Amino acid sequence: DTGVSQNPRHKITKRGQNVTFRCDPISEHNRLYWYRQTLGQGPEFLTYFQNEAQLEKSRLLSDRFSAERPKGSFSTLEIQRTEQGDSAMYLCASSSLETYEQYFGPGTRLTVT
Amino acid sequence: AQTVTQSQPEMSVQEAETVTLSCTYDTSENNYYLFWYKQPPSRQMILVIRQEAYKQQNATENRFSVNFQKAAKSFSLKISDSQLGDTAMYFCALLTGTYKYIFGTGTRLKVLA
Repeated sequence: DTGVSQNPRHKITKRGQNVTFRCDPISEHNRLYWYRQTLGQGPEFLTYFQNEAQLEKSRLLSDRFSAERPKGSFSTLEIQRTEQGDSAMYLCASSSLETYEQYFGPGTRLTVT
Repeated sequence: AQTVTQSQPEMSVQEAETVTLSCTYDTSENNYYLFWYKQPPSRQMILVIRQEAYKQQNATENRFSVNFQKAAKSFSLKISDSQLGDTAMYFCALLTGTYKYIFGTGTRLKVLA
């Protein structure tokens, strides 16, 4: 069990550019979640996959955001036309069908300049 | 709407002393889970302890224990024999049938030598 991994760990981009983040969950976990955490706040739910199906999306996830999990393994989160307000830590978590606790990755810190 | 409230933005405790972090929540669900997560500076979120709402017995994990008051919708975390490594942000989280966490805003705990 190598834990949840995320790449890159840090991303600095200019406003208007597109960025893509990757999350590799714990290998036997069917469920995968994306959260966003801004400074001084708790993580906020963005979206959730069970295997390859995206089952829920938050209203926080504007049409500039898209997430995929094509083979039910790793997931990508893409932000198009980034804005300064997108600057945050993007956290990925995974869980199995048998238990409810989620295991978090180290996050990708996005800075939009 | 489901909410989680942590009313203590910051706390400090002397090494080896005991500290209690507060959390209140609101949900109309009957089946739910409550969690405490620890987020050390610049490190990933780690699960500290979990509580199933249907269990009356308070959960305990080594130096960490909870006081779960279902009627009052209260879920506090007690850390005994505090250690320097306990310095972190602590987040209370609620999980219902939607599988997504609702997090509080966190309590920054500093353990003093």
